[in-house]
Amino acid sequence: QVQLVQSGAEVKKPGTSVKVSCKASGYTFTTYDITWVRQAPGQGWLEWMGWIRPYNGHTNYAQKFQGRVTMTTDTATNTAYMELRTLRSDDTAVYYCARDSSTTWTDSWGQGTLVTVSS
Amino acid sequence: EIVLTQSPATLSLSPGERATLSCRASQSVVNFLAWYQQKPGQAPRLLIYYGSNRATGVPARFNGSGSGTDFTLTISSLEPEDFAVYYCHQRLSWPGTLGQGTTVEIK
Repeated sequence: QVQLVQSGAEVKKPGTSVKVSCKASGYTFTTYDITWVRQAPGQGWLEWMGWIRPYNGHTNYAQKFQGRVTMTTDTATNTAYMELRTLRSDDTAVYYCARDSSTTWTDSWGQGTLVTVSS
Repeated sequence: EIVLTQSPATLSLSPGERATLSCRASQSVVNFLAWYQQKPGQAPRLLIYYGSNRATGVPARFNGSGSGTDFTLTISSLEPEDFAVYYCHQRLSWPGTLGQGTTVEIK
């Protein structure tokens, strides 16, 4: 079955970077995009950050995160990565990866990774 | 930016009752609209995409309808596991926009 398993929780200081991983299994990794979405703790708001196409590495970032986020994939290990730089306290959130396509949309999600930014 | 307005904010119902959730867009999103369910401490779960397509594994009691600016999610007979927050999301224009959510709570 399709599974997306994310890396564990992180605590980071303001101004530093975090890199969250998302390991996919149960499907052909290069045939779906990986979308990243975040959600501030206790808030209902889901924020779409961007997506990457493992087939060719093409990315599309939401304007809010451009210049601060980099999404990559390793097709040898079926793993997607999301790096967010220059962290601020308002980046504290649960970060999710999701399998995505134009035909089935975000039909499978990772379990989420809590990133806490605190001095 | 396309604004999605969900109503009601909270729906208090009993198991077995029918739930009708609304999502209205400030301009046409054609059928580029999804419905998600989220429970505390869990990732969102895709229920409906392209306005009315049920995602794999989603029970038949969940139905999405509508196009353009008006969309509805109907849960025909609430099961105990259906009490959660429901969001609509449009992806006509990247990165899309999200409704503020409807909480379906046990009456």
